[in-house]
Amino acid sequence: DSGVTQTPKHLITATGQRVTLRCSPRSGDLSVYWYQQSLDQGLQFLIQYYNGEERAKGNILERFSAQQFPDLHSELNLSSLELGDSALYFCASSVTIGDEQYFGPGTRLTVT
Amino acid sequence: AQSVTQLGSHVSVSEGALVLLRCNYSSSVPPYLFWYVQYPNQGLQLLLKYTTGATLVKGINGFEAEFKKSETSFHLTKPSAHMSDAAEYFCAVSESLRYSTLTFGKGTMLLVSP
Repeated sequence: DSGVTQTPKHLITATGQRVTLRCSPRSGDLSVYWYQQSLDQGLQFLIQYYNGEERAKGNILERFSAQQFPDLHSELNLSSLELGDSALYFCASSVTIGDEQYFGPGTRLTVT
Repeated sequence: AQSVTQLGSHVSVSEGALVLLRCNYSSSVPPYLFWYVQYPNQGLQLLLKYTTGATLVKGINGFEAEFKKSETSFHLTKPSAHMSDAAEYFCAVSESLRYSTLTFGKGTMLLVSP
């Protein structure tokens, strides 16, 4: 158990819908990262937050957005969902930027 | 831009045999290199990392990796495979610990037979 929690574990929704994935970092970790894992694209970095502020952006679609709240938990919002958005979404956290990242168990999103 | 190539999407070994998982990277600056393991239905766990200093890095569960700048490689090895090593392994590179965003390879599934 890495100490990073993600909810929900599984999510099934229809195309065009919007979902929110939640991540609670390890106690004391200030930095949160979101990754997407799919069969065709592999593991891709989406976005990073540090102490509430966005610090880096990767291959994140405009339909996706994220934020980190004052209590340091983070949410990833996915809207206008397409079949291709079906994937495993991981959250990771680290004490600060540059430290080892600890990964959560992931949220498996299925878009039908 | 940085990139990672993992040779072989699947590697099969017998229990007790040497494990060798290959990773080559591309980076415009001195890289930071990582190996992660993913067991079924679980998140990723860091096996080992290279940032600076000694090029032979030892990790958890008996794994080690050697950074070879001339070959732009960071291959993962373990002298003797165990059944519990069966998992997917990911090599990753970061160009800066300042931002520490990881670029992952496609992964290599390690299969261990009795």
